[in-house]
Amino acid sequence: EPEVTQTPSHQVTQMGQEVILRCVPISNHLYFYWYRQILGQKVEFLVSFYNNEISEKSEIFDDQFSVERPDGSNFTLKIRSTKLEDSAMYFCASTSGPPNFGPGTRLLVL
Amino acid sequence: KNEVEQSPQNLTAQEGEFITINCSYSVGISALHWLQQHPGGGIVSLFMLSSGKKKHGRLIATINIQEKHSSLHITASHPRDSAVYICAVPSLYSGGGADGLTFGKGTHLIIQP
Repeated sequence: EPEVTQTPSHQVTQMGQEVILRCVPISNHLYFYWYRQILGQKVEFLVSFYNNEISEKSEIFDDQFSVERPDGSNFTLKIRSTKLEDSAMYFCASTSGPPNFGPGTRLLVL
Repeated sequence: KNEVEQSPQNLTAQEGEFITINCSYSVGISALHWLQQHPGGGIVSLFMLSSGKKKHGRLIATINIQEKHSSLHITASHPRDSAVYICAVPSLYSGGGADGLTFGKGTHLIIQP
């Protein structure tokens, strides 16, 4: 059964650095999403992507964040100038019905 | 924006017990999702439902659209059911097909042998 994959599984970075989180959605899915979960808190929606452009974004998804689909398979989340409070698990999801979630990237900003 | 409330936040039960987890939301929706999050963090979709009832194995999900309420039931609970169960609904930023989900805080379920 096809799965959403994410790389890296863990990333440690210094405050102020840029990170790129990568996702490979399920190939025939049309909608792609990024979510984050700060430790001990609920999952929060960041952004949705459809037809090669941002469809919706939450108030969390400010100018620090950007998403791209650089080729036909990858879907990336870039976080510029990381802050301590960006430390979280970041989940990618794709869907053509019920969502399929990737295993997540655990980001730690020091 | 839709809001989601789940109850209980924590639930410990004995193996074999019938489990019920409740979810209420604030704005009418096209579909509601029940998800399971494992201790390692992975999230799995259990149900997507827009009306009535769905069953998968020992799991049953129901929804009452008029009352904006859904329940997840687990029959003959087993220690392997121990996980966080999360209700999620469309965020309704625009109501379009690409709406992200607003998640509840989850119910931490522990089934003791």
